[in-house]
Amino acid sequence: AQSVSQHNHHVILSEAASLELGCNYSYGGTVNLFWYVQYPGQHLQLLLKYFSGDPLVKGIKGFEAEFIKSKFSFNLRKPSVQWSDTAEYFCAVTSRSGSARQLTFGSGTQLTVLP
Amino acid sequence: KAGVTQTPRYLIKTRGQQVTLSCSPISGHRSVSWYQQTPGQGLQFLFEYFSETQRNKGNFPGRFSGRQFSNSRSEMNVSTLELGDSALYLCASSLATSGDTDTQYFGPGTRLTVL
Repeated sequence: AQSVSQHNHHVILSEAASLELGCNYSYGGTVNLFWYVQYPGQHLQLLLKYFSGDPLVKGIKGFEAEFIKSKFSFNLRKPSVQWSDTAEYFCAVTSRSGSARQLTFGSGTQLTVLP
Repeated sequence: KAGVTQTPRYLIKTRGQQVTLSCSPISGHRSVSWYQQTPGQGLQFLFEYFSETQRNKGNFPGRFSGRQFSNSRSEMNVSTLELGDSALYLCASSLATSGDTDTQYFGPGTRLTVL
């Protein structure tokens, strides 16, 4: 069975600080990887995704993530956070084998950016 | 293009009752998945429907069921409600034309409170 671990449950940063949120997954096969964000009072939105190719993927709002296959990791980064980045961030994985495409989510990381 | 819509947005029920939640996917999307989000368990997969057939099911009791209509709209039903069913129920849709690059987009959710 797949599992996803997000090591940081709550991260507090000041504006302009750099961000890195960890994500590790456990699965023996090929996977697709996603980061979703849930802003306060809003629905879950896709930040970025990785299917194949260049392991460094760029998403919306200046976010990027790097897939390191040997470490089963897909960490999210942003060079300079803003107050508006305050939200909960979820890493998720789906298997590329078979027809089912259920997302397995990590427990989420609450990011608070102080103005 | 309109996003995923869910109705109702909020529901209050009492134990033992049943409830039906509705989801309209993004136009052209053929797959609909349902997830339960709670503070304790996080985001958990309930089931996925594609072409009116349940393609995958998560680890939930049989009280949780769903269906998909020919226009891809989906409903989920929870019978004999328990206090622990209080949660945010999220619907996600995807094109499902290529499993390798399929991406799920989420609706705003239905907040169910069981008293």
